[in-house]
Amino acid sequence: GQSLEQPSEVTAVEGAIVQINCTYQTSGFYGLSWYQQHDGGAPTFLSYNALDGLEETGRFSSFLSRSDSYGYLLLQELQMKDSASYFCAVRAKAAGNKLTFGGGTRVLVKP
Amino acid sequence: SQTIHQWPATLVQPVGSPLSLECTVEGTSNPNLYWYRQAAGRGLQLLFYSVGIGQISSEVPQNLSASRPQDRQFILSSKKLLLSDSGFYLCAWNQATYGYTFGSGTRLTVV
Repeated sequence: GQSLEQPSEVTAVEGAIVQINCTYQTSGFYGLSWYQQHDGGAPTFLSYNALDGLEETGRFSSFLSRSDSYGYLLLQELQMKDSASYFCAVRAKAAGNKLTFGGGTRVLVKP
Repeated sequence: SQTIHQWPATLVQPVGSPLSLECTVEGTSNPNLYWYRQAAGRGLQLLFYSVGIGQISSEVPQNLSASRPQDRQFILSSKKLLLSDSGFYLCAWNQATYGYTFGSGTRLTVV
């Protein structure tokens, strides 16, 4: 089966940088996705990495190292609205091309 | 543009009662459809997915069932709810894109 590990919680102040790591175990890996979920809301898609390297989208960037089975989401210039849970998710042949989600990292941004 | 609708938003049901949650997608054809469940403060667990009308795959044996009577309609059902069925139920869709789009979710409390 598939497994993903990410920290359960991270706290930072406004303007800071936060890195959320995700390590995964699977076979037939296709790619790693990141989703943001505010309390009581639905997850929203942030990014997808299929190849090694860094993908930048505004203040958020996502990195993948296929050889290390590792990725991270980088949140820069933190704002209060970034307080949310962030999930990594693996797309893999072993799971029939469906997404398997990690347990999520709760990010708390303080003033 | 594509939209996904899910209802109801909240539901309180007694143990042993039936359940029917509905999800519809607009603006697209032949989407892949998914039902996920999320326990409080936890990750997303895939329950069912469907690649076409009448085609349902179950990921976890449980007290629930799913049906897809129309191309853009996905229904989650139970004949008799258990306390353990409480949770946040999310419908999602995707096609060739790697990102899933989630509905707004149904918060189910079984009492």
